[in-house]
Amino acid sequence: DAMVIQNPRYQVTQFGKPVTLSCSQTLNHNVMYWYQQKSSQAPKLLFHYYDKDFNNEADTPDNFQSRRPNTSFCFLDIRSPGLGDAAMYLCATSSLGRGRFADTQYFGPGTRLTVL
Amino acid sequence: ILNVEQSPQSLHVQEGDSTNFTCSFPSSNFYALHWYRWETAKSPEALFVMTLNGDEKKKGRISATLNTKEGYSYLYIKGSQPEDSATYLCAPILTGGGNKLTFGTGTQLKVEL
Repeated sequence: DAMVIQNPRYQVTQFGKPVTLSCSQTLNHNVMYWYQQKSSQAPKLLFHYYDKDFNNEADTPDNFQSRRPNTSFCFLDIRSPGLGDAAMYLCATSSLGRGRFADTQYFGPGTRLTVL
Repeated sequence: ILNVEQSPQSLHVQEGDSTNFTCSFPSSNFYALHWYRWETAKSPEALFVMTLNGDEKKKGRISATLNTKEGYSYLYIKGSQPEDSATYLCAPILTGGGNKLTFGTGTQLKVEL
């Protein structure tokens, strides 16, 4: 089945040690999103790619970076994880015309990041 | 910052009970509202995208209504089953809010036998 895949499902890293989370999709969608959900909080958009155009949210820390080498893959890099970065990270995709955010987003199962 | 509130935060019901929960959002500049269901260890799954005031949408035993003038949406589950146990998230989109989904914290539903 076409889907959004996230690897790994669980990631443990040490304080300050760079970590990369992976997302791939077989839907051929042009938009990919990264959300962060901390415990008991709402999922919060970090950034999204519209094709190759990177769109960063104003309040996303510089510690968070992203790469999209092709349509299918998108990576979230956390350069120096702090304890406060422990969260569930969700990747999502959608097929949109520019500005059309009413379309459905398709989510992966998330990667739960633990920072020791 | 958009204030999206979902209530109740959690809910325990018995199998066969019908239930409903609420998503409240700023009514000005409304564009669309999404509902998602998120079962533990699975991907959030889209339930509905609603755009028009008075919209009613239905998917099996689950239905939703939308009131954009007063800024709320209700999600109803008729005859709850254990497989309905999940967190239900709403996410309105408001123009001027960056045209992005702004999620609520969700309502966690547990249906017990």
